[in-house]
Amino acid sequence: AQSVTQLGSHVSVSEGALVLLRCNYSSSVPPYLFWYVQYPNQGLQLLLKYTTGATLVKGINGFEAEFKKSETSFHLTKPSAHMSDAAEYFCAVSVSNTGNQFYFGTGTSLTVIP
Amino acid sequence: GAGVSQTPSNKVTEKGKYVELRCDPISGHTALYWYRQSLGQGPEFLIYFQGTGAADDSGLPNDRFFAVRPEGSVSTLKIQRTERGDSAVYLCASSPRGWADTQYFGPGTRLTVL
Repeated sequence: AQSVTQLGSHVSVSEGALVLLRCNYSSSVPPYLFWYVQYPNQGLQLLLKYTTGATLVKGINGFEAEFKKSETSFHLTKPSAHMSDAAEYFCAVSVSNTGNQFYFGTGTSLTVIP
Repeated sequence: GAGVSQTPSNKVTEKGKYVELRCDPISGHTALYWYRQSLGQGPEFLIYFQGTGAADDSGLPNDRFFAVRPEGSVSTLKIQRTERGDSAVYLCASSPRGWADTQYFGPGTRLTVL
């Protein structure tokens, strides 16, 4: 079975500091990996995704993530946090041999301290 | 353009009642997903439609849950004999083609079973 683990349900960073949100997955075949963000009172929206090719992917709002197969990780980073980054972040994985399911992590709530 | 819409935004019902939750996907999107999100958890996959047919319904928790998409556009999630444990936010998402595409999420329907 596939699974997604997000370490740290709550992360706090100072404005301007590095943001690092961790995601590890389990999959027996190469997965497709996603990061979604949910701002307060809004629906989930895609930040970035990895399907094939370059393992470092860039998304919206200055976020990026790197697929590391050897570590089964897809950590999300942003060099400098902004107040508007405060939100809930979800990592998700999908693999073709299990059909069409998406598996989401439990989410990480990011707080940005002014 | 218009995003994914869901109605109602909130639904309060009594244990044992029947409810229907509606999803209007983005026009032209062939893939449609339903998820359930409980407090403090990530979205949990329920069912995936490709066109009019349910391509994968393995996430439906039991036979009280059923979903349809008769014309390949609007979808309805139906829950019979509701239980308090069904209380959650029900999310709908659509994507242009299939499971590897970006999913666009609706705002969700908050279901409360008293």
